Amino acid sequence: AQKITQTQPGMFVQEKEAVTLDCTYDTSDPSYGLFWYKQPSSGEMIFLIYQGSYDQQNATEGRYSLNFQKARKSANLVISASQLGDSAMYFCAMRSLSTGNQFYFGTGTSLTVIP
Amino acid sequence: DVKVTQSSRYLVKRTGEKVFLECVQDMDHENMFWYRQDPGLGLRLIYFSYDVKMKEKGDIPEGYSVSREKKERFSLILESASTNQTSMYLCASSLGDSAYEQYFGPGTRLTVT
Repeated sequence: AQKITQTQPGMFVQEKEAVTLDCTYDTSDPSYGLFWYKQPSSGEMIFLIYQGSYDQQNATEGRYSLNFQKARKSANLVISASQLGDSAMYFCAMRSLSTGNQFYFGTGTSLTVIP
Repeated sequence: DVKVTQSSRYLVKRTGEKVFLECVQDMDHENMFWYRQDPGLGLRLIYFSYDVKMKEKGDIPEGYSVSREKKERFSLILESASTNQTSMYLCASSLGDSAYEQYFGPGTRLTVT
């Protein structure tokens, strides 16, 4: 069974500091994709970053990076130099061949950036 | 840019009414999805479709049905709305390969009274 776990319901970070949002996953598939989405208070889901299971290097997109530890089945999101606009819900998701086209989402982490 | 649109941002319906939520995408994506989002529960998949007229049940299909007559349009139907279906409903679309992300619509906040 596919499962995504986000154990931090809420996080606080000082503006300009870095923050790590945790995500662990469970799958027996050798080929899968991991995704992070941001959901501001306005409600839209914004895609942030993708990591493939065969990718050798950790994915980076601007201030976002994904700390991918395959053996530990973790895919933590690191946000560097936090900004007030980073305050939002963050969701980790996974997609694999065995699930066909389904995505599996974690329960999310609410991040608040403090000025 | 991919655009996914949903017919309403806010909807208020009465118990027992039949409710249609429409979703349209403009990027020729094979896959379309309906989720509901509730606080503390994350996104839960209701139904998804990988092709026209094809559908698969997700984790919580009870009380819902779907229709996909055209590739760009995926409808969610609540045959007889109940108060426990009050929620945020999110539509998404994607290409077929596992490397591709989903694109989401703005969501419909449905209240059933």
